[in-house]
Amino acid sequence: VQLVESGGGLVQPGKSLKLSCSASGFTFSSYGMHWIRQAPGKGLDWVAYISSSSGTVYADAVKGRFTISRDNAKNTLYLQLNSLKSEDTAIYYCISNWAYWGQGVMVTVSS
Amino acid sequence: DVVLTQTPPTLSATIGQSVSISCRSSQSLLHSNGNTYLNWLLQRPGQPPQLLIYLVSRLESGVPNRFSGSGSGTDFTLKISGVEAEDLGVYYCVQSTHAPPWTFGGGTKLELK
Repeated sequence: VQLVESGGGLVQPGKSLKLSCSASGFTFSSYGMHWIRQAPGKGLDWVAYISSSSGTVYADAVKGRFTISRDNAKNTLYLQLNSLKSEDTAIYYCISNWAYWGQGVMVTVSS
Repeated sequence: DVVLTQTPPTLSATIGQSVSISCRSSQSLLHSNGNTYLNWLLQRPGQPPQLLIYLVSRLESGVPNRFSGSGSGTDFTLKISGVEAEDLGVYYCVQSTHAPPWTFGGGTKLELK
């Protein structure tokens, strides 16, 4: 099993970014997927979840600003981040079933 | 939302020492289906977290059996029977019983004495 995130970087407050997570080694379409984030030096925070049937739920802190989606044909999970704030600065991990974690991608929101 | 409180926040141990970490929940984590969805994770420095224990006490494949989990309801414990150098890092409990949202404990940092 391999999960590889991409798309992170430095972005100004109020701008947008789209993260991707490429999955391999398992039947991606059969599993729900999460995005988890970790601010520098802080603990873990759940961000969003998408079920195998593409039902979605979000943490209150990101509801209305972030959108999780998936493309089962491409074995890829996405997170669209809009209206970014400095407090969204974090490493973002995609995970499946709590056992499989990507290496994470850094998102820095700063002017 | 369920609040998970981990103690202690920092734990100093010598190699070979046995240690325990507590995770207390603001409400019972027993699901109506009879399962208790409480997991333990370890995050080594510079690494993503890894799953150690799921469903309170079930050892994830490949995890050494010096790790064990116990508890029920609102009180849970992770025990390491004989700390090894590779066990250093931050331990988190996480619950899925009352999700969404999925919630984490604040973490316990295990360091060498």
